[in-house]
Amino acid sequence: EPEVTQTPSHQVTQMGQEVILRCVPISNHLYFYWYRQILGQKVEFLVSFYNNEISEKSEIFDDQFSVERPDGSNFTLKIRSTKLEDSAMYFCASSEREGPNEQFFGPGTRLTVL
Amino acid sequence: GNSVTQMEGPVTLSEEAFLTINCTYTATGYPSLFWYVQYPGEGLQLLLKATKADDKGSNKGFEATYRKETTSFHLEKGSVQVSDSAVYFCARKEVQGAQKLVFGQGTRLTINP
Repeated sequence: EPEVTQTPSHQVTQMGQEVILRCVPISNHLYFYWYRQILGQKVEFLVSFYNNEISEKSEIFDDQFSVERPDGSNFTLKIRSTKLEDSAMYFCASSEREGPNEQFFGPGTRLTVL
Repeated sequence: GNSVTQMEGPVTLSEEAFLTINCTYTATGYPSLFWYVQYPGEGLQLLLKATKADDKGSNKGFEATYRKETTSFHLEKGSVQVSDSAVYFCARKEVQGAQKLVFGQGTRLTINP
């Protein structure tokens, strides 16, 4: 069964460093998403991406964040200068089309900023 | 704004007990409603969904009915198993426009043998 994969599973970084979190969505999906979950809190939407551009972003997704689909398979989230409060579990998701269709989630990357 | 409120956890039950996890949503727009489950060490998986009022979603013995009059989408299962131990998330998505899922805070369920 096709699945969304994410790498790495755990990333530890120093405050101020850049990190890139990687995701491989399901191959025939057209919509891509990043969510995050700070420990003990809700899963929060960050950004959605369609047709090679951002279709929606939340207030969390400020200038420190960017997303890219560098080739036909990967979807990346970059944090330019990490802060302590960026420590969270980051989930990638993809869906085949819009509407009430299932978003398939990856297993997540746990980011720890020291 | 649009939000989802879930019953606080953790919830601990014995095997074969009846389960209810409450979920309510703000009555704006015409959202689709979802329950996602996260097993230990895994990502979020869709458990069930309902796209309009009075729809019932069901899967793996779990059910939830979209109730517009009470703005609720409570998750129920008649007889839980140890393997149901997980974190359960209620979520909404607008039918038109925004594609994002808005999640509740999650409810950790532990089933003891």
